[in-house]
Amino acid sequence: DAGITQSPRHKVTETGTPVTLRCHQTENHRYMYWYRQDPGHGLRLIHYSYGVKDTDKGEVSDGYSVSRSKTEDFLLTLESATSSQTSVYFCAISGTGSSGNTIYFGEGSWLTVV
Amino acid sequence: QQQVKQSPQSLIVQKGGISIINCAYENTAFDYFPWYQQFPGKGPALLIAIRPDVSEKKEGRFTISFNKSAKQFSLHIMDSQPGDSATYFCAASIISNTGKLIFGQGTTLQVKP
Repeated sequence: DAGITQSPRHKVTETGTPVTLRCHQTENHRYMYWYRQDPGHGLRLIHYSYGVKDTDKGEVSDGYSVSRSKTEDFLLTLESATSSQTSVYFCAISGTGSSGNTIYFGEGSWLTVV
Repeated sequence: QQQVKQSPQSLIVQKGGISIINCAYENTAFDYFPWYQQFPGKGPALLIAIRPDVSEKKEGRFTISFNKSAKQFSLHIMDSQPGDSATYFCAASIISNTGKLIFGQGTTLQVKP
């Protein structure tokens, strides 16, 4: 298994509170991604990073921010959680970012916003 | 705007049968098409992938068929086994575009013993 650790694995939070999910990798991979998985939508890209302090938006970035201060850590923050952000969040990593390299996924973080 | 459309949503196959999952894409710039397998409570894992310069790729019981002119590709699982029961996602990306994957909606496969 790729060395990806997501924390917390499960969280219940109240509407309006900020939430931060952490992704830690031990592979020294350059590219890191945050996806959310929802029934009927597959996995959708939220944000990604192509290096320390280098990030960009994905297709569903509204309401989310990210930070990457070290190669190994990529944080996803829900600035003010809403019920529509109840989802399973997956962190992924890739060595070069080229599609020829495998993208490895973490085990997921289950977030419930009540 | 769904750039990758996957069907069926769910599939039930008898042990030993053939499972077929189909995907269609819109963006002709896509040049990498992987399939991911996901078991309950786990993250997706790469199963098999294909580039558009070949029409078929086989790895064990898993085969990708690719039709560039129709902008379609499919996953065939031969001799399906109960252990293949999982959710399968097709995806597409552009090689030069930081590896971002666009996923289909997913297919839940159940293989009955």
